[in-house]
Amino acid sequence: DIQMTQSPSSLSASVGDGVTITCRASQDIRSDLGWFQQKPGKAPKRLVYAASLLQSWVPSRFSGSGSGTEFTLTLSSLQPEDSATYYCLQYNTFPWTFGQGTKVEIK
Amino acid sequence: EVLLVESGGGLVHPGGSLRLSCEVSGFTLTNYWMSWVRQAPGKGLEWVANINQDGSETQFVDSVKGRFTISREDAKKSVFLQLSSLRVEDTATYFCARGRYCSRTSCSRNVFDIWGQGTVVTVSS
Repeated sequence: DIQMTQSPSSLSASVGDGVTITCRASQDIRSDLGWFQQKPGKAPKRLVYAASLLQSWVPSRFSGSGSGTEFTLTLSSLQPEDSATYYCLQYNTFPWTFGQGTKVEIK
Repeated sequence: EVLLVESGGGLVHPGGSLRLSCEVSGFTLTNYWMSWVRQAPGKGLEWVANINQDGSETQFVDSVKGRFTISREDAKKSVFLQLSSLRVEDTATYFCARGRYCSRTSCSRNVFDIWGQGTVVTVSS
């Protein structure tokens, strides 16, 4: 199985700060990676697909990059509504696997 | 509006069974892979099962192989997850999610743009 190692597991930052979340795949997954945002009690929402393509509703302060085994989700200017848990997902090879999640809190 | 609505969750004893349903609206189910993803209380997301656009191929995470089956009835605009031999560790919210779009000649390589709201399965004695 492909392991997705996501870091950090949590972070706390101030409004306006830039933050970066990383996912490392245990083998090459090309660009078959998505990023998801989940708020408590809600279903996940897709932010990014194909590693770097932004979902239409997603603000431009979000960006995704990477290919192969290293991927990042960057928030250029953190906003209060960005408080959530973020997950990466590899969908290159079954079983599809999620990262462990990164909880983003606003100071 | 594109929607996925899950149902069928509930409380079941260990060893018991449940059938989860995911009814879709706002798009043609026939062209899409569909998956189930679960989330145990306070834990992360876990992909559970996938079915391709014509139902000829299914995939499962190892922990549910031989116990869960996934099926679809496009005429009913529904996808199903049959849970059997349930264990306490299957307790979770189960989400259905839209997978790859497939035309006659190719499939897209992006998944999970649409999710349902989830249905809760509790396995307890």
